[in-house]
Amino acid sequence: QGQMQQSGAELVKPGASVKLSCKTSGFTFSSSYISWLKQKPGQSLEWIAWIYAGTGGTSYNQKFTGKAQLTVDTSSSTAYMQFSSLTTEDSAIYYCARHSYYRDFDYWGQGTTLTVSS
Amino acid sequence: QIVLTQSPAIMSASLGERVTMTCTASSSVSSSYLHWYQQKPGSSPKLWIYSTSNLASGVPARFSGSGSGTSYSLTISSMEAEDAATYYCHQYHRSPPTFGGGTKLEIK
Repeated sequence: QGQMQQSGAELVKPGASVKLSCKTSGFTFSSSYISWLKQKPGQSLEWIAWIYAGTGGTSYNQKFTGKAQLTVDTSSSTAYMQFSSLTTEDSAIYYCARHSYYRDFDYWGQGTTLTVSS
Repeated sequence: QIVLTQSPAIMSASLGERVTMTCTASSSVSSSYLHWYQQKPGSSPKLWIYSTSNLASGVPARFSGSGSGTSYSLTISSMEAEDAATYYCHQYHRSPPTFGGGTKLEIK
């Protein structure tokens, strides 16, 4: 059974950057696509980007190009998302999730709450 | 991008009642790439139905999914208390993957 353990809540100031982590287990990380998604309170989900852990290849939602940068560490089966030039609009819960064969998201992290406030 | 519209946005059902919610896509989506998630307050979304009609592991058989093209639905044959949640449809027929606005299902 796959698991995805995300890093803890973050409180950061506007203009700063933050790096979120997602440590995986229970599946072959190096042959997995990992996505990051955003959810604001009371709202639906928004896809940010995915990374293919085997090669580091990425695909970004145009809305988040230049804002988010995805990387992986295959030695620790961990995915990372760096979020830069933060504004209050970036305050949300961020999830990592694994793509399954039919491009559904079958495993999810527990979410990281990001609060951007001065 | 493909826009998914879910209806109703909020609904309530009595225990034992049959429930149906819909998801309409702005353009045709392959049924292989249309999925549903259940989310309860304070928890991550859970894959519920994949590829239109396949129940994810552990999902009760009272749930079913159907549809094709631009019109999809999720049905609960007999509402139970544990089914109260928000359900999201999701397409990855075309990038970017998108989600519907959700249907919040409450107990009447």
